[in-house]
Amino acid sequence: SAVISQKPSRDICQRGTSLTIQCQVDSQVTMMFWYRQQPGQSLTLIATANQGSEATYESGFVIDKFPISRPNLTFSTLTVSNMSPEDSSIYLCSVELGPYNEQFFGPGTRLTVL
Amino acid sequence: QKEVEQDPGPLSVPEGAIVSLNCTYSNSAFQYFMWYRQYSRKGPELLMYTYSSGNKEDGRFTAQVDKSSKYISLFIRDSQPSDSATYLCAMSAVVVSNAGNMLTFGGGTRLMVKP
Repeated sequence: SAVISQKPSRDICQRGTSLTIQCQVDSQVTMMFWYRQQPGQSLTLIATANQGSEATYESGFVIDKFPISRPNLTFSTLTVSNMSPEDSSIYLCSVELGPYNEQFFGPGTRLTVL
Repeated sequence: QKEVEQDPGPLSVPEGAIVSLNCTYSNSAFQYFMWYRQYSRKGPELLMYTYSSGNKEDGRFTAQVDKSSKYISLFIRDSQPSDSATYLCAMSAVVVSNAGNMLTFGGGTRLMVKP
């Protein structure tokens, strides 16, 4: 497995502002993922971030709203832009590791938008 | 119809009981199956990973896969209050190294083990 950290762990933000979430892993990984987990719901994939290329977004998610950076093999950021209360969720990053490319998750960032 | 269906619970059992958590799926391309445990206000933790039909055991946990019926289960023996969490099944169609293999998650089952 890997040690994955996220910053901030939680935040309360005002409508119309933006928040950047950081994900740090203690080993080099090629693929990182960003998920959203709305209250009481399961995980929905936002995008896949491969170091050295543009992130690949899932249906319903766009780069203008959720820009992602992947500057190196141990770090990624997700920005939630122009936030509205509907963006209130837990945001999780994950990495692929191991012989079967298992996914391991960070602790999550709990975002509340007022 | 969702690709992966999971009973949301909550499932409440007494300490020491055997717990059975289940998922059904419709996509026959799914070949790799995972169970995650998620405590409140934490990220999901990978419990079990299997890619073949049959049983895989790890301590008090047994993962069972029946590809012919498109049905997977997680059994927890001698359940403990510390097992109280939400359990998520997940599956993927292929595993290609460094390709970003997409997982499809079930909705999660909330389990409560009472002392």
